[in-house]
Amino acid sequence: DVKVTQSSRYLVKRTGEKVFLECVQDMDHENMFWYRQDPGLGLRLIYFSYDVKMKEKGDIPEGYSVSREKKERFSLILESASTNQTSMYLCASSFRRQGQPQHFGDGTRLSIL
Amino acid sequence: AQSVTQLDSQVPVFEEAPVELRCNYSSSVSVYLFWYVQYPNQGLQLLLKYLSGSTLVESINGFEAEFNKSQTSFHLRKPSVHISDTAEYFCAVGTSGTYKYIFGTGTRLKVLA
Repeated sequence: DVKVTQSSRYLVKRTGEKVFLECVQDMDHENMFWYRQDPGLGLRLIYFSYDVKMKEKGDIPEGYSVSREKKERFSLILESASTNQTSMYLCASSFRRQGQPQHFGDGTRLSIL
Repeated sequence: AQSVTQLDSQVPVFEEAPVELRCNYSSSVSVYLFWYVQYPNQGLQLLLKYLSGSTLVESINGFEAEFNKSQTSFHLRKPSVHISDTAEYFCAVGTSGTYKYIFGTGTRLKVLA
């Protein structure tokens, strides 16, 4: 079974802090994704990566960056956290073939005070 | 551009009654369609998918969805719901040439005793 593990379920940080969210998958997937989920807005793609050291902006990349140094690990970085980045963050991964479903972690609920 | 519309944000239904959760998409090319379920405080789990072939797809827990190309719809149905089906359901669409999927805003299904 595919396992996507997000390092924290709940995280509380302060405005202006640099925040790291980590995601690890164990299925040798090429693609990895970071989404944020907000009520009434569904899932919005922040960044995605289709290979090590490769990244592509999603729909809402402002205020975020990512790092993919190893195939199994994809990190989301909030450079200077702001209160409007309080949200649920979901990591997902998939094989790099057409029509492959994405597999999700359990999410990190991040609060910025 | 692709888009996904889930017409109902909330659907209350009594236990053992049938339910339909609606999903419409817009795309001018071939699509891949997915339904995901999210239980409280968890990530998204794949419920079923349509890639090609038979337009009716089924999940192991009694849900089914029908791909209707002329109406660009992929509605999710279950003939008799259980309390345990209470969750949020997301429709997603992908197209050939990209690994990114567009998610709908979700439908909260609440099954009442």
